[in-house]
Amino acid sequence: GEDVEQSLFLSVREGDSSVINCTYTDSSSTYLYWYKQEPGAGLQLLTYIFSNMDMKQDQRLTVLLNKKDKHLSLRIADTQTGDSAIYFCAESKDSSASKIIFGSGTRLSIRP
Amino acid sequence: NAGVTQTPKFQVLKTGQSMTLQCAQDMNHNSMYWYRQDPGMGLRLIYYSASEGTTDKGEVPNGYNVSRLNKREFSLRLESAAPSQTSVYFCATQIPNTGELFFGEGSRLTVL
Repeated sequence: GEDVEQSLFLSVREGDSSVINCTYTDSSSTYLYWYKQEPGAGLQLLTYIFSNMDMKQDQRLTVLLNKKDKHLSLRIADTQTGDSAIYFCAESKDSSASKIIFGSGTRLSIRP
Repeated sequence: NAGVTQTPKFQVLKTGQSMTLQCAQDMNHNSMYWYRQDPGMGLRLIYYSASEGTTDKGEVPNGYNVSRLNKREFSLRLESAAPSQTSVYFCATQIPNTGELFFGEGSRLTVL
């Protein structure tokens, strides 16, 4: 079946860039999402990209999509302590959430 | 504040007890979802409701039942709780077209 994989942990120094990577198996994925989960809270959508796009930028966030390799990345520029959270990659064939497959999440920790 | 409200936030049950998790939204969305989150496993869909009066099974429905009481409310019931149902449960609604999910803050359930 379809799968979404992420590494479990990432540690970066404050002020550096963070790059969180994700691979997925379903070549018919149309919607690709990044969600952020802060401690004790639900997930919150950070950004999403359609499969016909290569890149999307939103302030400190840059999403890159390599559709050939089924690889998605999230870059956070100038990482701050408030960026500490778990980041989930997710993909879907259509806009119905019943089809969304989530990765296991990458826990980002920030070193001073 | 507009959003998704879940109750209770914490619950401890003994094996075999029953309980209902409540979810209410004031965003006037048609689709509502119940997920469970377990360490290292991301989110898994339990049940969903595409509209008032309809419910469908997700990836892990066994041991659960749901009721879509009206457009606002979607409840999740455990008839006979098992330790394997110890988890954090999230209710979510969905914006059409983009597939963006809005999550509640979660309900942490422990079954002893």
